[in-house]
Amino acid sequence: AQKITQTQPGMFVQEKEAVTLDCTYDTSDQSYGLFWYKQPSSGEMIFLIYQGSYDEQNATEGRYSLNFQKARKSANLVISASQLGDSAMYFCAMRVSGGYQKVTFGTGTKLQVIP
Amino acid sequence: ETGVTQTPRHLVMGMTNKKSLKCEQHLGHNAMYWYKQSAKKPLELMFVYNFKEQTENNSVPSRFSPECPNSSHLFLHLHTLQPEDSALYLCASSRITTSGDNEQFFGPGTRLTVL
Repeated sequence: AQKITQTQPGMFVQEKEAVTLDCTYDTSDQSYGLFWYKQPSSGEMIFLIYQGSYDEQNATEGRYSLNFQKARKSANLVISASQLGDSAMYFCAMRVSGGYQKVTFGTGTKLQVIP
Repeated sequence: ETGVTQTPRHLVMGMTNKKSLKCEQHLGHNAMYWYKQSAKKPLELMFVYNFKEQTENNSVPSRFSPECPNSSHLFLHLHTLQPEDSALYLCASSRITTSGDNEQFFGPGTRLTVL
């Protein structure tokens, strides 16, 4: 079975600073994908970034980067130059090969950006 | 309309009522999903449809009945719900591929309250 663990229920970061949101995963599959989603208070889940298990380089999308450490089974999200609009819930998720539509989500981290 | 839309955005119903949630995707995707999001719990996958065929029913009680008339529309019919069914119900869609990097796009959700 697949499992995603996000150990930080809440985080604070000063505006313009960088922040790292932790995510560890557990799977026996060799092929899998890792996702991060952002959920503002409006409720919609917004896709941020994807990392494939065979990707050798860490994924980056604008101010978002994924610190992928395969041996440690961690996929931390790094947000650089935080903005007030980054305040939201952040969810780490995983999909394994074969179960390509079954995504397992973590419990989320609530990020608050302080002016 | 673009992306994934859901109606209604808010719904309050009694335990004896029958109501339906509607989801529509305008992205040309061929897979659609229903998720339940309760407070302080991970997002729970309820149903998956591929090309209008249900491929996943994650042990959901029969008081939730999905319907997928075509690849763009998805319904969740509700009847004789319980107060513990109160949650945010999220619809998502994705493009089916074998590569694994097909992220899911989410709607804004329906906030359901069962009295």
